[in-house]
Amino acid sequence: EPEVTQTPSHQVTQMGQEVILRCVPISNHLYFYWYRQILGQKVEFLVSFYNNEISEKSEIFDDQFSVERPDGSNFTLKIRSTKLEDSAMYFCASSRTGVTEAFFGQGTRLTVV
Amino acid sequence: GIQVEQSPPDLILQEGANSTLRCNFSDSVNNLQWFHQNPWGQLINLFYIPSGTKQNGRLSATTVATERYSLLYISSSQTTDSGVYFCAVNSGNTPLVFGKGTRLSVIA
Repeated sequence: EPEVTQTPSHQVTQMGQEVILRCVPISNHLYFYWYRQILGQKVEFLVSFYNNEISEKSEIFDDQFSVERPDGSNFTLKIRSTKLEDSAMYFCASSRTGVTEAFFGQGTRLTVV
Repeated sequence: GIQVEQSPPDLILQEGANSTLRCNFSDSVNNLQWFHQNPWGQLINLFYIPSGTKQNGRLSATTVATERYSLLYISSSQTTDSGVYFCAVNSGNTPLVFGKGTRLSVIA
């Protein structure tokens, strides 16, 4: 069964460092998303990506964040200068259209120290 | 934007008991999904159910779109059902909005 895969599963980084989180969406899906979940809290939307551009972003997605689809299969989230409060589980998701079922990857647990 | 409220926030069950989790949403939706977040943090798709009723083993879900709520039924609960259950909705091409979840603990 097709699935969304994310790497790495865990990452520990020092405050101020740049991190890149990687995702391989399901191959025939056209919509891609990043979500974040701070420990013990709800899942929050960061950004959606369609047709090689950002289609929507939340107020969390400020200038330190960027997304890219560098080739036909990968979808990345870059955090330029990490802060302690960026520590969270980051989920990538994809869907075939904007209203069909979304599938989530297993998450990347980011710890900023 | 759409508001999603889930109840109850916490639930403790004896193994074998049944339960009903509720999700209310504030506006009409095109998509409603139920997820189970396991102890490792993974979000497992349970149901894609913008309307109607579906069943999968011991789990079933019903969405009454006109009244803006969905119910998730868990029958004969097992310890492996423990975790957090999230409801998420969207309308149009907007991204999914999640509720705060129901934390379920099933005790042997």
